[in-house]
Amino acid sequence: IAGITQAPTSQILAAGRRMTLRCTQDMRHNAMYWYRQDLGLGLRLIHYSNTAGTTGKGEVPDGYSVSRANTDDFPLTLASAVPSQTSVYFCASSGGLWNGYTFGSGTRLTVV
Amino acid sequence: GQSLEQPSEVTAVEGAIVQINCTYQTSGFYGLSWYQQHDGGAPTFLSYNALDGLEETGRFSSFLSRSDSYGYLLLQELQMKDSASYFCAVEDRTNAGKSTFGDGTTLTVKP
Repeated sequence: IAGITQAPTSQILAAGRRMTLRCTQDMRHNAMYWYRQDLGLGLRLIHYSNTAGTTGKGEVPDGYSVSRANTDDFPLTLASAVPSQTSVYFCASSGGLWNGYTFGSGTRLTVV
Repeated sequence: GQSLEQPSEVTAVEGAIVQINCTYQTSGFYGLSWYQQHDGGAPTFLSYNALDGLEETGRFSSFLSRSDSYGYLLLQELQMKDSASYFCAVEDRTNAGKSTFGDGTTLTVKP
């Protein structure tokens, strides 16, 4: 089934630890995105990639890094987690504005 | 930058029609999208408007007025399964391809 796979589904992480959230798509979309969604709020863009080999900063990039070594994978790394990074993280990809974004099922991260 | 406003909550009864409004401010408007998100789930794409007018897809329609910086999502023949959060999202030319989302409208459909 075509779509986006995120892992892990959920994670409890000690503050100060490093963690990588994984995202893989099989739709051959050029553009990929990472959003975070805090309780009761909308999605805020962390980082994006318009095509393999390029990345850019979104609205809330501090404390996060990404890489895009190939078309399919777009991992998000928290270098040293802090409690304010507790959130649900969604990876998305797009094959064009008219078709919207396809989102993964999300990673629920709790930093304690 | 971009900003969007939509009501935080809307309640309607099964079988009714409901309209969820979205107003936006952006420097170079490109298009307005709508997404549905059920509790604990991922957002799913509903519609995209780049031109003025109404786009219809089954029970859902989306409208855009570029001159008024305004759009709405219209849900007809409401069903219990339509209870969810609905987000509008705007793309603009200075941010091409990247969506800025509103905070969402929680729709509760009552029997």
